[in-house]
Amino acid sequence: DAGITQSPRHKVTETGTPVTLRCHQTENHRYMYWYRQDPGHGLRLIHYSYGVKDTDKGEVSDGYSVSRSKTEDFLLTLESATSSQTSVYFCAISTVQGGLQETQYFGPGTRLLVL
Amino acid sequence: AQKITQTQPGMFVQEKEAVTLDCTYDTSDPSYGLFWYKQPSSGEMIFLIYQGSYDQQNATEGRYSLNFQKARKSANLVISASQLGDSAMYFCAMRESLSGSARQLTFGSGTQLTVLP
Repeated sequence: DAGITQSPRHKVTETGTPVTLRCHQTENHRYMYWYRQDPGHGLRLIHYSYGVKDTDKGEVSDGYSVSRSKTEDFLLTLESATSSQTSVYFCAISTVQGGLQETQYFGPGTRLLVL
Repeated sequence: AQKITQTQPGMFVQEKEAVTLDCTYDTSDPSYGLFWYKQPSSGEMIFLIYQGSYDQQNATEGRYSLNFQKARKSANLVISASQLGDSAMYFCAMRESLSGSARQLTFGSGTQLTVLP
């Protein structure tokens, strides 16, 4: 257990509405990530953060924005949700041990359905 | 080209038997790390095992071992003495040293393992 919580755990929303997902960690990890999981695609990186106010884009960042105003919280926002953003969203933290062995641990996930 | 390929969408194994889940990868980076995660039906992602590209020995963690064949670019997960609780989706992932500040993982599409009683 890496002390990661995600909220909400489930959400149903309508196309065109804004949605914010929250990731909260309790162990002061510097690196945080948002992934989405879709059938047949494994997990794909949306955005990541390497410190407070330091964020950057991942592989599938279009339609998403993030913010990190304090170490423990990393927010993912869908400015105007679309049906293609129906997915399971995972937050992860990275245990910075240095080198390639650094391991990512994941939160429980948020299931988002956009109608 | 896919960086991580898991060619077995689904696998079945009898309880107490061993099973091998395949993973091949594609990278030109000499330094990389390979990871396996388990995702049970409850949905959480559980880290299982890690193998570094320069590691001389195959990684082992309890009933999990990694059959690492660098020249063939394969990193197969071996689960010995399968248990019913091993039924889950298994993902192979890679981190390349050239992934920059992201330190991101690239995942395969997964293999659904079902353990039969």
